[in-house]
Amino acid sequence: GAVVSQHPSWVICKSGTSVKIECRSLDFQATTMFWYRQFPKQSLMLMATSNEGSKATYEQGVEKDKFLINHASLTLSTLTVTSAHPEDSSFYICSARRRAYYGYTFGSGTRLTVV
Amino acid sequence: AQTVTQSQPEMSVQEAETVTLSCTYDTSESDYYLFWYKQPPSRQMILVIRQEAYKQQNATENRFSVNFQKAAKSFSLKISDSQLGDAAMYFCAYRDNAGGTSYGKLTFGQGTILTVHP
Repeated sequence: GAVVSQHPSWVICKSGTSVKIECRSLDFQATTMFWYRQFPKQSLMLMATSNEGSKATYEQGVEKDKFLINHASLTLSTLTVTSAHPEDSSFYICSARRRAYYGYTFGSGTRLTVV
Repeated sequence: AQTVTQSQPEMSVQEAETVTLSCTYDTSESDYYLFWYKQPPSRQMILVIRQEAYKQQNATENRFSVNFQKAAKSFSLKISDSQLGDAAMYFCAYRDNAGGTSYGKLTFGQGTILTVHP
């Protein structure tokens, strides 16, 4: 079945540094990638949607200069948290969608802790 | 904007018993999909079941079935013969087929934590 590999699974970084999270679709072409943020015992909040070769579309309230999303190829999308602060600590999940397919394949998530 | 509401923050069930998780949604669209996802402690999202709005027949997947009431905008999940491995957070999700930059976007409910007692 379709697999999305998300790395790293967890990361600790110092306040003020940047962190990059990668999502790779291993056996299919991800025409659209969705990036979510999730706090403990809460729902997934969509941060942005990216289509291959296009600029990402950010949800209201999400700082596009802080959360940089790149979807340069059909198999790789990245989320970079720039100048991270403790309030950015959260669980980040990517989800890929194939063209003309109703389903979604989720990555395994990245737990980010900013100290 | 579409909204999805899960009114049960937590539910519990005895092993081998049946439990129903509730979900309601609000939309003006007629063409859409509904999903139930399971998120176990590993936090990997797992698709449980999906329903196309144009289908009147309720979807079933082994022990999992839905009660889709389109007019009432209700989409409940029934888990039969509950197993310990069913313990997880369950999310109801909606997606329409309208165009635009957020085409294919999933809208999630707040989630329901299901506990299964042995």
